[in-house]
Amino acid sequence: AQSVAQPEDQVNVAEGNPLTVKCTYSVSGNPYLFWYVQYPNRGLQFLLKYITGDNLVKGSYGFEAEFNKSQTSFHLKKPSALVSDSALYFCAVRDGSYQLTFGKGTKLSVIP
Amino acid sequence: DTAVSQTPKYLVTQMGNDKSIKCEQNLGHDTMYWYKQDSKKFLKIMFSYNNKELIINETVPNRFSPKSPDKAHLNLHINSLELGDSAVYFCASSQVLGANYGYTFGSGTRLTVV
Repeated sequence: AQSVAQPEDQVNVAEGNPLTVKCTYSVSGNPYLFWYVQYPNRGLQFLLKYITGDNLVKGSYGFEAEFNKSQTSFHLKKPSALVSDSALYFCAVRDGSYQLTFGKGTKLSVIP
Repeated sequence: DTAVSQTPKYLVTQMGNDKSIKCEQNLGHDTMYWYKQDSKKFLKIMFSYNNKELIINETVPNRFSPKSPDKAHLNLHINSLELGDSAVYFCASSQVLGANYGYTFGSGTRLTVV
């Protein structure tokens, strides 16, 4: 069975500083990895995905993520955080099936 | 046009009632899903459905049933509502065949059972 771990319930970062939201996964076969963001009282919005190819994936709003096969990780990063980045972030994994399994989410708070 | 739309956005109802939540997607996707997000924001798959198969999460009570009149719609019907059913329910869709994309989500239906 596939699974995703987001070890941090909350991440606090000062505006302008780099941010990292951690994600590790477990899946049999090749992983398809995703990050989604959820703003308060909204649905989930797609940020980026890794399917194959370059390990560094660039996505929406200046976010990027690095796929590390040996560490089974897919951490989300941004060089300079904005207050508007404050939201709930979900990592998700899919194996050969088409069901996405989500992590429990990490709340990101960017402090002005 | 909204890609994945759910109605209603809010639903307050009494225990024991039967209710339905509707979902429509205009993306031409071949697969639709229902997720439940609990008070701790944890997302759990309830159903996935395309024109070939329905996959039900074994932890979902049989009071919950998906109904798909056509490829663009997947409605969620709930019988005998319980307090523990209070949550936000998200519909999603994806193109499975020939693609490796993630899901497009609706904006959610907040169900409150009183």
